[in-house]
Amino acid sequence: GAVVSQHPSWVICKSGTSVKIECRSLDFQATTMFWYRQFPKQSLMLMATSNEGSKATYEQGVEKDKFLINHASLTLSTLTVTSAHPEDSSFYICSAREGQGAIQPQHFGDGTRLSIL
Amino acid sequence: AQSVTQLDSHVSVSEGTPVLLRCNYSSSYSPSLFWYVQHPNKGLQLLLKYTSAATLVKGINGFEAEFKKSETSFHLTKPSAHMSDAAEYFCVVTLLPPGAGSYQLTFGKGTKLSVIP
Repeated sequence: GAVVSQHPSWVICKSGTSVKIECRSLDFQATTMFWYRQFPKQSLMLMATSNEGSKATYEQGVEKDKFLINHASLTLSTLTVTSAHPEDSSFYICSAREGQGAIQPQHFGDGTRLSIL
Repeated sequence: AQSVTQLDSHVSVSEGTPVLLRCNYSSSYSPSLFWYVQHPNKGLQLLLKYTSAATLVKGINGFEAEFKKSETSFHLTKPSAHMSDAAEYFCVVTLLPPGAGSYQLTFGKGTKLSVIP
């Protein structure tokens, strides 16, 4: 089946550090990738939709200068949390979808737990 | 507008007994519906999907779900719970927001399934 690899799985760093998270589709091409944030005991909150070769579309309330998204190829999207602060600590999950149709499911990475000290 | 309601935030069953996780949706057109499972500190894994073919959908690990348009429901069931089924389950409907270039997922709030030995 379709596999999405997300790296790193856990990051602990000091406040003010920038952190890059990678999301790769290993066995399929993903024209669209999604980035989610999940708070403890809550559902996933969509942060942005990333299309290969174009600018990401951010959801309302998500700072695009804070959360930089790059989708340079059909198999790789990155999320960079710039100058991270403790309030950015969360579980970040990416997903990738084959094709554009509604019937195509999204395949999720295993998530990245970000802890800012 | 589209929405997903998972009627139970927590379901507890004994090992070997049936599982029922309830999901209702609202959609302005024929939806595509999914169930995902999330184990602790992991991403989401697709269990099954409904895409307007058969109304009874069989998924992985013995799970199945039935799409009932008249009841706007898509409940997830399994005949016999196993300890490894303990996880968070999300019911999801696709959404194409106005002006958006791709489909997004709308998540229910999740149901935590506990399996008692």
